This record gives sequence, C-alpha cells and structure tokens, in this order.
Amino acid sequence: NAGVTQTPKFQVLKTGQSMTLQCAQDMNHEYMSWYRQDPGMGLRLIHYSVGAGITDQGEVPNGYNVSRSTTEDFPLRLLSAAPSQTSVYFCASSYSYGSTYEQYFGPGTRLTVT
Amino acid sequence: SQELEQSPQSLIVQEGKNLTINCTSSKTLYGLYWYKQKYGEGLIFLMMLQKGGEEKSHEKITAKLDEKKQQSSLHITASQPSHAGIYLCGADKGDNYGQNFVFGPGTRLSVLP
Repeated sequence: NAGVTQTPKFQVLKTGQSMTLQCAQDMNHEYMSWYRQDPGMGLRLIHYSVGAGITDQGEVPNGYNVSRSTTEDFPLRLLSAAPSQTSVYFCASSYSYGSTYEQYFGPGTRLTVT
Repeated sequence: SQELEQSPQSLIVQEGKNLTINCTSSKTLYGLYWYKQKYGEGLIFLMMLQKGGEEKSHEKITAKLDEKKQQSSLHITASQPSHAGIYLCGADKGDNYGQNFVFGPGTRLSVLP
C-alpha cells in the first residue's frame, strides 16, 4: 500500500492564481481530511469528508473548496490564492473502530503564495 | 471550542536523559492522540488514550491521561537522537464521527548526542 499520497510536494503561486492540491489513499478509508500547519499553531482542520459525496467544513475553510467523488481521492482547491494561505498542507485518511479512530497522514505539500 | 495547549514549546536534552511533554485541554477529552512529526514529513501516530487514568507504552515512550481526562503527558525514557522531532497532541471533539479534530501547537524536541 502506498498509504496517503499528496502532490505536488512543493508549489509557488502568485496572488490570485488558483490550483488544486491532490490527495489519494489506497486503504479504502471512509474518512479524509485536509489540514494546514502554520508555525506555533499546530494543525488546523480545513475540510473533511466522511465518505464519497459528503464533505463538511472544519475550523478554517475560507478560500478552499473540496469534493469527494470517489473513496480514494480528496482534492483541495484554492480558488484565488492569497499570501495568508502560505502554509504546509496535510491530507489524512482515517478509519474508525469502536469509538476510536486512527489517522494516517500524507507527507505534506509546502505552498508559498507571493 | 476546544483548545489544546502543550508545554514546553521546545526542549533540548542530552542523549540518555528522560523528558516529559504535557498536553492540557480546556474541556474533557473524548480521545487524546499523540503524534510525532519529523521536519518536512507527515505525522506518525504514536498512541491513543481514551479512559481516565489510562497509560500506554511503546518502546521507551509512555503516555498517560489523567483521571479528569483533561491532561496528558508523554514521557520518553533514556532519550536518543531518533526521538528528535515535533510531538503533537490531538483530540477528538466527540462529534461528527470523530472527524472534527484539533491539535496542540506542538513541542519541538532536540536530542544532543
């Protein structure tokens, strides 16, 4: 299993440009999430999905769109990039057992917006 | 909203020393997760605690959750350079199938050989 894969690994955008961060998992997990990580703030949840066709907002959703057409893929779209979106983005997939669940994280995408 | 605080913010120890990282919540925790992150990489799951007073160990790392389920500690015994990285605690907000998850700001650990 490849686990959770993310592309690209690095990206530089100019203000106003749009792009899609790709995330795929091959573990057949129902749940997938996008986080951003900023210095001193830990990881913050952007959007998440509990299954194909179902998405919901997390803590910091503004400026981002997601869709979940398949179980495997969960792309994150930046509609009009802003310098405030410079961050490291992590995708995660998870499964639940009983009342607990375990998350697996991708390697991250480091995004710089100039 | 639930917030997690971690202390210390950073830690530098000599190889072989013991250390403790703390994670404190403003609300009762439904599930407390510890992750380790190496620079430029994703997070690696270490362990999860759910019951008050629970304690788990893996190799030289022990995590505890207090009886009130508002504080957790991560203890590393006889630290090694391989333990270096950022340690993050995360908590399940207890709703929405466990997908609404929050993280602490992280503790950066350096281990000097």
